[in-house]
Amino acid sequence: DIQMTQSPSSLSASVGDRVTITCRASQGIGNNLAWYQQKPGKAPKSLIYGASRVQSGVPSKFSGSGSGTDFTLTISSLQPEDFATYYCQQYATYPLTFGPGTTVDIK
Amino acid sequence: EVRLLESGGNLVQPGGSLRLSCAASGFTFSTYEMTWVRQAPGKGLEWVSTISGSGARTYYADSVKGRFTISRDNSKNRLDLQMNSLRAEDTAVYYCTNRIVGVSYWGQGTLVIVSS
Repeated sequence: DIQMTQSPSSLSASVGDRVTITCRASQGIGNNLAWYQQKPGKAPKSLIYGASRVQSGVPSKFSGSGSGTDFTLTISSLQPEDFATYYCQQYATYPLTFGPGTTVDIK
Repeated sequence: EVRLLESGGNLVQPGGSLRLSCAASGFTFSTYEMTWVRQAPGKGLEWVSTISGSGARTYYADSVKGRFTISRDNSKNRLDLQMNSLRAEDTAVYYCTNRIVGVSYWGQGTLVIVSS
């Protein structure tokens, strides 16, 4: 099985900050990597697919990069609505696996 | 517009059974794989099971293999998850999801509580 790790597990940031979250796969997954945002009590919202493709309707402040085993999600200027938990997921092979999540909260 | 609407969540006793359903609309249902993902209270996301568009291929997480069965009715645009021998650790919100040309869609989830 492919293990997904994320760092950091949590971070505190201020409005306007640039935030970067890292996701690492235990083996190569090409660009079969998605990022999700989840707020308490809500379903996950898809942000990025194909490692770097921004889902339609998602603000351009979100960007993704990477290929193979190392990936990043960047929020260029953090806004109040961005405080949430972010998950990465590989969909290259079964079992599909998610990272443990990164919680972004207000400093 | 792609819509996924789960139903069937409930309180059930350990060892019991429950059947979840997902009503899909806004896309050609039979073309795409469909997936169940769950999230235990306060925990992360866990993939549960996936079924191919035709229903011929199914995949399961080790944690549910032999207890859960995924199925679909392409004539009714419906995805099901039959859950047997339920355990306390199956308590979670269950989400119906799919991926269309890379883009992921999710339902709002249905809550399953396994408790005596």
